[in-house]
Amino acid sequence: DTEVTQTPKHLVMGMTNKKSLKCEQHMGHRAMYWYKQKAKKPPELMFVYSYEKLSINESVPSRFSPECPNSSLLNLHLHALQPEDSALYLCASSQPATGATEAFFGQGTRLTVV
Amino acid sequence: DQQVKQNSPSLSVQEGRISILNCDYTNSMFDYFLWYKKYPAEGPTFLISISSIKDKNEDGRFTVFLNKSAKHLSLHIVPSQPGDSAVYFCAASESWGGSEKLVFGKGTKLTVNP
Repeated sequence: DTEVTQTPKHLVMGMTNKKSLKCEQHMGHRAMYWYKQKAKKPPELMFVYSYEKLSINESVPSRFSPECPNSSLLNLHLHALQPEDSALYLCASSQPATGATEAFFGQGTRLTVV
Repeated sequence: DQQVKQNSPSLSVQEGRISILNCDYTNSMFDYFLWYKKYPAEGPTFLISISSIKDKNEDGRFTVFLNKSAKHLSLHIVPSQPGDSAVYFCAASESWGGSEKLVFGKGTKLTVNP
């Protein structure tokens, strides 16, 4: 199983809403990532969890709150977002620092903030 | 400042011919380089990678070449097929706190014409 599963696939939320994005993998990977991709731009790293601990936060605003409840799950909690936060949110996983560092990506959640 | 650059936003090739996609980088700390293929509204799919200690890696129709002194890598696809039409992202990996930080180029849109 080389799948990273993200739910929901699409999400529309108002600026006062609270919602969560979910990501799951069963490859035994111990590093999990959140990326944000705007149209016609490359994916940009937001957060990295390594062994369920937050190891990288790329100066992301606090209205995005990541959570890693266990080694298979990664959540991204959203609150008071702005329309400019509309983007494709990608989750990925990999084995940390083994040299075989290909990250597997999920299909993404298309988020629209209205 | 862009650390990974793909200077050709698009490339058009005839079916059966070779496709060559190029990528330049600036950070000498990158230790792994990867190519991803992406269709619209989907997550990137890993294609092939190369360690910074190697200069070539081959997998079927895909070959990646690395020139460390020039900080340049290229992806060769031969023979090109219409199903290869997609956006190709070059990514570079840097070890960071036990995790891998992937930095993406802006992508090259490859169109393979029948």
